[in-house]
Amino acid sequence: DADVTQTPRNRITKTGKRIMLECSQTKGHDRMYWYRQDPGLGLRLIYYSFDVKDINKGEISDGYSVSRQAQAKFSLSLESAIPNQTALYFCATSDPVHLGVLTFGAGSRLTVL
Amino acid sequence: QKEVEQNSGPLSVPEGAIASLNCTYSDRGSQSFFWYRQYSGKSPELIMSIYSNGDKEDGRFTAQLNKASQYVSLLIRDSQPSDSATYLCAVKGGDNQGGKLIFGQGTELSVKP
Repeated sequence: DADVTQTPRNRITKTGKRIMLECSQTKGHDRMYWYRQDPGLGLRLIYYSFDVKDINKGEISDGYSVSRQAQAKFSLSLESAIPNQTALYFCATSDPVHLGVLTFGAGSRLTVL
Repeated sequence: QKEVEQNSGPLSVPEGAIASLNCTYSDRGSQSFFWYRQYSGKSPELIMSIYSNGDKEDGRFTAQLNKASQYVSLLIRDSQPSDSATYLCAVKGGDNQGGKLIFGQGTELSVKP
């Protein structure tokens, strides 16, 4: 099994729908992240969490919310999806010592029509 | 000014040549620097980290850091077609950045046989 599992891997939805992307990890890491990737823009941080009670906004949090249900689970929600949220979304984890060493999930490709 | 900047490319080099990938960053408080490789359709994977000024070598890869110039580079010697990928520079921000990892937009490398 993958260390970081994202579901769904692909999702097509319509404008205005609520979408949840889920992430679970078996690394035992405290720190979890959600990134968004668009062509030519690299990875942009949406939200990050250093433990279950510590959630922080990243560069582009508007239109997104997150929930850290447990150490191993970190979900990203789009309350009312819009077409410019069409992107590839990555969940990642790190341990407190090696903050720059991220383990990524396989990604969730979201298309908003 | 973007916090972490890379040339988007694509950078095309012949097999066996040296590929040089460059990255500049804006936060002088940054202490840790990373290079990730991302094959098309895959998630990023860490290939190099560097923390001190100078060079760090790992096989065919050499990372170079110049904090005074706020410049990080990655050299790939004896480039192979299997090195064709997008290379992402990542910088761990200083304390005022909460230790977040900020990515550049990535440089696409193509190694021609």
